[in-house]
Amino acid sequence: NAGVMQNPRHLVRRRGQEARLRCSPMKGHSHVYWYRQLPEEGLKFMVYLQKENIIDESGMPKERFSAEFPKEGPSILRIQQVVRGDSAAYFCASSGLQETQYFGPGTRLLVL
Amino acid sequence: KQEVTQIPAALSVPEGENLVLNCSFTDSAIYNLQWFRQDPGKGLTSLLLIQSSQREQTSGRLNASLDKSSGRSTLYIAASQPGDSATYLCAVKGSQGNLIFGKGTKLSVKP
Repeated sequence: NAGVMQNPRHLVRRRGQEARLRCSPMKGHSHVYWYRQLPEEGLKFMVYLQKENIIDESGMPKERFSAEFPKEGPSILRIQQVVRGDSAAYFCASSGLQETQYFGPGTRLLVL
Repeated sequence: KQEVTQIPAALSVPEGENLVLNCSFTDSAIYNLQWFRQDPGKGLTSLLLIQSSQREQTSGRLNASLDKSSGRSTLYIAASQPGDSATYLCAVKGSQGNLIFGKGTKLSVKP
């Protein structure tokens, strides 16, 4: 049973480009969470999704960031027109009926 | 607004020592509390989850306690080993399902 998969593991973008981060939850999990870890900071919640629904996006910046979890396929975190301040590690977690959230290895985004 | 604090920020101990990591939270209305381990450049590994109705959980050399009324949790590591070196994160589950994290305690166990 594969764990939470994230790709790419490392992503380099120039300012103004788009970044797409993918997360495949553990088999059988229908809840997906995205978190961001800025350098020297703790993990901060961004968005919570279930299949085809955004449940809580209170941690998402109002502009340039969006997330989806379609009926088929991985969850996508999309950052438009990236800026240097977007450089961070982005982690995805999934859970099933049980409470425990299982985390992926993260995507490390570097904006040049 | 829930805030989670972990002290100390960093800790260095000799191999074999027992140690305690501390976590405090400001709002006692939590659903559960989870301890994670994060190795440099890696993701998070869940160590222990304590439900709000529970007082402690144990796994091997690890024991986590929860005192909801005082807003505190401790992670006890017995007979520490160099392989325990990592950053330990405490997180509480909010009302919406997301986790609220502390900044972590960076542990170094010297051989």
